[in-house]
Amino acid sequence: DGGITQSPKYLFRKEGQNVTLSCEQNLNHDAMYWYRQDPGQGLRLIYYSQIVNDFQKGDIAEGYSVSREKKESFPLTVTSAQKNPTAFYLCASLKGSDNYGYTFGSGTRLTVV
Amino acid sequence: AQKVTQAQTEISVVEKEDVTLDCVYETRDTTYYLFWYKQPPSGELVFLIRRNSFDEQNEISGRYSWNFQKSTSSFNFTITASQVVDSAVYFCALNTNTGTASKLTFGTGTRLQVTL
Repeated sequence: DGGITQSPKYLFRKEGQNVTLSCEQNLNHDAMYWYRQDPGQGLRLIYYSQIVNDFQKGDIAEGYSVSREKKESFPLTVTSAQKNPTAFYLCASLKGSDNYGYTFGSGTRLTVV
Repeated sequence: AQKVTQAQTEISVVEKEDVTLDCVYETRDTTYYLFWYKQPPSGELVFLIRRNSFDEQNEISGRYSWNFQKSTSSFNFTITASQVVDSAVYFCALNTNTGTASKLTFGTGTRLQVTL
């Protein structure tokens, strides 16, 4: 079955370390997104990519980096510059010709220890 | 800029009660899409409904119904005869761009607790 796979489900990071969250889709979707979820704040857009080798900052990009070397993959790196990285991270994808067919992954919960 | 407001942070009801989740949106675009998603404790987002700005027809799907009113910029969600399995966080979202430029703007969510 097609879908989005996020790994790992739970991730622990020591302060000062970079960590990379994986997002892979086999839906042949063009656009991919990273959202951050904090209690009481809903989902906020970190980065998104419309095509391979191109991506744009969302509303809260500081302290994060992404790459889009393959259509299927959109990894998110949480750098040491992100001061409050503990959160739930959701990846999503969208078919290029569609305005509403978003597919979401099951999320990665990142905790800084 | 787009904005979605879900003023109800948390709602608690007893099973079998009806409950309405409010959603108010702001956009200057004339073409836009509205969504409701359910997020159970497992964390994934479950798609419930989408509505485009040209279709104000209300929709019913089983115990779920949605009331879209452009005049008040609202897209409210009602669960009839709530059940414990309805307990989740519900998000309203707005999309005004098209194709790959599309971005979802989410509300802050409403946590629904249904008890026996």
